[in-house]
Amino acid sequence: DAKTTQPNSMESNEEEPVHLPCNHSTISGTDYIHWYRQLPSQGPEYVIHGLTSNVNNRMASLAIAEDRKSSTLILHRATLRDAAVYYCILPMSGSARQLTFGSGTQLTVLP
Amino acid sequence: KAGVTQTPRYLIKTRGQQVTLSCSPISGHRSVSWYQQTPGQGLQFLFEYFSETQRNKGNFPGRFSGRQFSNSRSEMNVSTLELGDSALYLCASSLVPQGDTTGELFFGEGSRLTVL
Repeated sequence: DAKTTQPNSMESNEEEPVHLPCNHSTISGTDYIHWYRQLPSQGPEYVIHGLTSNVNNRMASLAIAEDRKSSTLILHRATLRDAAVYYCILPMSGSARQLTFGSGTQLTVLP
Repeated sequence: KAGVTQTPRYLIKTRGQQVTLSCSPISGHRSVSWYQQTPGQGLQFLFEYFSETQRNKGNFPGRFSGRQFSNSRSEMNVSTLELGDSALYLCASSLVPQGDTTGELFFGEGSRLTVL
């Protein structure tokens, strides 16, 4: 199964954009890239997913490198509520419901 | 629309006992997955059920089992509890059928199990 690498922690100022990187050099051609986040004392929450082209939704944008070996989750204006652990995941066995969560990136948002 | 509901939210057991945790998925969702979260191992996949059938299973011993009912509600059971089973057990439901690579998981708030 393809593995992902993320920084352990990042800091951002409130109302500024945040770029959360993820490396996945062993990704296969059919692997979707999923992002989830987990706020304190809550279950994980879906953020966004994509395959090849950049994706946008109401929560974030996902920029995928042309060679697909890396991607970046973009929060356009960080709020205090965005402080969470962000996980970049490539599903095991091609199933979007069998996810391997790594250690993720702990995002701290400073007021 | 109600979210994923897990019961009980907190429970304490002693070694050797067994425990059953319950998960009610979002209405209309037929896939239910279970995850274990511990400080040391992080979030680990336990198993997935779809239409009352176990579709995938993670690398956990046979003491961990589950089932799904015709109304998509799911239970997981852990027998002969060990101290290391203390964890947050998370249930997630999904609308998409098995094999789809793009489905979104909706997680509950979890059941926190403490084994003494």
